[in-house]
Amino acid sequence: EDQVTQSPEALRLQEGESSSLNCSYTVSGLRGLFWYRQDPGKGPEFLFTLYSAGEEKEKERLKATLTKKESFLHITAPKPEDSATYLCAPVGTTDSWGKLQFGAGTQVVVTP
Amino acid sequence: NAGVTQTPKFQVLKTGQSMTLQCAQDMNHEYMSWYRQDPGMGLRLIHYSVGAGITDQGEVPNGYNVSRSTTEDFPLRLLSAAPSQTSVYFCASSKGDRVYEQYFGPGTRLTVT
Repeated sequence: EDQVTQSPEALRLQEGESSSLNCSYTVSGLRGLFWYRQDPGKGPEFLFTLYSAGEEKEKERLKATLTKKESFLHITAPKPEDSATYLCAPVGTTDSWGKLQFGAGTQVVVTP
Repeated sequence: NAGVTQTPKFQVLKTGQSMTLQCAQDMNHEYMSWYRQDPGMGLRLIHYSVGAGITDQGEVPNGYNVSRSTTEDFPLRLLSAAPSQTSVYFCASSKGDRVYEQYFGPGTRLTVT
């Protein structure tokens, strides 16, 4: 059975204090791993797609990386506007097409 | 483009009442889905559709019905509301060739008393 665990559950950072979020997964063959961001009171917003171990994607202060069992979302020199819950969703090759199974998320708060 | 729209934003129901949550998208997306989000449980897939006339069950389908008569609309029906259905409901859509890059609506917050 596919499983996904995100850690930590919550992270409080000072502005400029870099950190990493972890997404550990178990799937039967990885079709892709997807990162989303969710602001309070809003729907999730797509960030990145990673397909194979060693792949990296960047967007502003965020960089996502992938290994065979984990994905990391690195936040470099965060700003208060990076405060959000970050969700990952690994998709296995045996999963129904289009179906996303999200982790519980990491809630990030960046203070000035 | 309005993107994905959901109505209503908030709704309070009594146990046993029925209602329909509306979802529409104007991006000509083939794939649409409904999720519910509960504290401590994360986002869970209720039903999804890969195109007009085609629907399938997700992780937590019991108590909900869907239909997809047009590409644009994907309503979610609660047949007989229960307190366990108190949740925030999100609709999402995506193109068939980027099906996992989903656009989410703003959500409907439902309370069942």
